[in-house]
Amino acid sequence: EDKVVQSPLSLVVHEGDTVTLNCSYEVTNFRSLLWYKQEKKAPTFLFMLTSSGIEKKSGRLSSILDKKELFSILNITATQTGDSAVYLCAVEGSGGSNYKLTFGKGTLLTVNP
Amino acid sequence: DAGITQSPRYKITETGRQVTLMCHQTWSHSYMFWYRQDLGHGLRLIYYSAAADITDKGEVPDGYVVSRSKTENFPLTLESATRSQTSVYFCASSDGGRGSEQYFGPGTRLTVT
Repeated sequence: EDKVVQSPLSLVVHEGDTVTLNCSYEVTNFRSLLWYKQEKKAPTFLFMLTSSGIEKKSGRLSSILDKKELFSILNITATQTGDSAVYLCAVEGSGGSNYKLTFGKGTLLTVNP
Repeated sequence: DAGITQSPRYKITETGRQVTLMCHQTWSHSYMFWYRQDLGHGLRLIYYSAAADITDKGEVPDGYVVSRSKTENFPLTLESATRSQTSVYFCASSDGGRGSEQYFGPGTRLTVT
């Protein structure tokens, strides 16, 4: 059974801080790892990672994957109150015949002014 | 409107009633998914579909039925609603294959009394 564990479960920081969110996984036939941001609505896509060691970057957010150690991190620098959200990590495996995602429980990030 | 929509957005029903949640996407994506999201459990896959007339069970399929007669629609039916099915339900779609992120609908908040 595929498994995704995120840590910490929640985090409170001040504006301007840098945060690192963690995601470890066990999956049959790994295909990709995805990060989503969820505010009080549907998850929105942030990154997809398929190769080890290649950083994906978008503004103040960046993410990297380590396929040997089976984990990924999501970094947010110079945090803003608008970064407050639940960050979800998901892995795509090819157990069985089809493509599907297994999600972690998420990290709740609160950024205080 | 382009994108993925769900209806109704909110629903209150009684135990034992049949309820159908609708999902419609305009991208002609091959894959569609139904998730439920509950505190402490994160997003859990209920059913998914790789194409019209092809569906498969996810992690928590019991008590749910799906169909996919048309590519753009993927309704989820609760045959006899129970209180444990009170949740937020998200539909998602993807064009499938490796490296395809899922796009989520706005969600349906279902309360079973």
